[in-house]
Amino acid sequence: KQEVTQIPAALSVPEGENLVLNCSFTDSAIYNLQWFRQDPGKGLTSLLLIQSSQREQTSGRLNASLDKSSGRSTLYIAASQPGDSATYLCAVRTTGANSKLTFGKGITLSVRP
Amino acid sequence: DAGVTQSPTHLIKTRGQQVTLRCSPKSGHDTVSWYQQALGQGPQFIFQYYEEEERQRGNFPDRFSGHQFPNYSSELNVNALLLGDSALYLCASSFFGLTGRRAGNTDTQYFGPGTRLTVL
Repeated sequence: KQEVTQIPAALSVPEGENLVLNCSFTDSAIYNLQWFRQDPGKGLTSLLLIQSSQREQTSGRLNASLDKSSGRSTLYIAASQPGDSATYLCAVRTTGANSKLTFGKGITLSVRP
Repeated sequence: DAGVTQSPTHLIKTRGQQVTLRCSPKSGHDTVSWYQQALGQGPQFIFQYYEEEERQRGNFPDRFSGHQFPNYSSELNVNALLLGDSALYLCASSFFGLTGRRAGNTDTQYFGPGTRLTVL
């Protein structure tokens, strides 16, 4: 059974800091890994998707990396801004015809002005 | 291009009642998945509908059922509500198509804003 862990549960940083959010998963047989952003009480917004054959993906100030063999992914946020404050969730899609998304609990990020 | 829409936004029910939540997928998508997100937790997969059939199911009791219509929209029904059913219910759509049927759905899922269900 795939398990996804995100530690720490919460993080507070000053504006302008570069930061890394971590995600680990137990089963390396994955199709892809996706990072989402969730604002309080809202739905999920997809940030980056990394296919199992890829090592990283970039979008603006965000960079996500994937190391399947070690079961880890990181989301790097450059020059953080107060508007980046949200919960960041990592989700892994398992392989097979019955593949599904398994989510971590998320990391709640607060960027202080 | 309309994204994924869900209705209602908020809902308050009492224990034992039944509830129906609705989802319209993103234009061009044919697959709908439902998730339950309890406070402080990540979303938990309930089930997925494709071609008007339930294709996959997570670890949820039979009180949770669903339906997909020919226009790909979907409903989630929960019977005999419990206090523990209080959560944000998220709908996600994706394109499965013929390739997906053979190899499994690997496309990006787009999520709706969710329905906040409170059971008193």
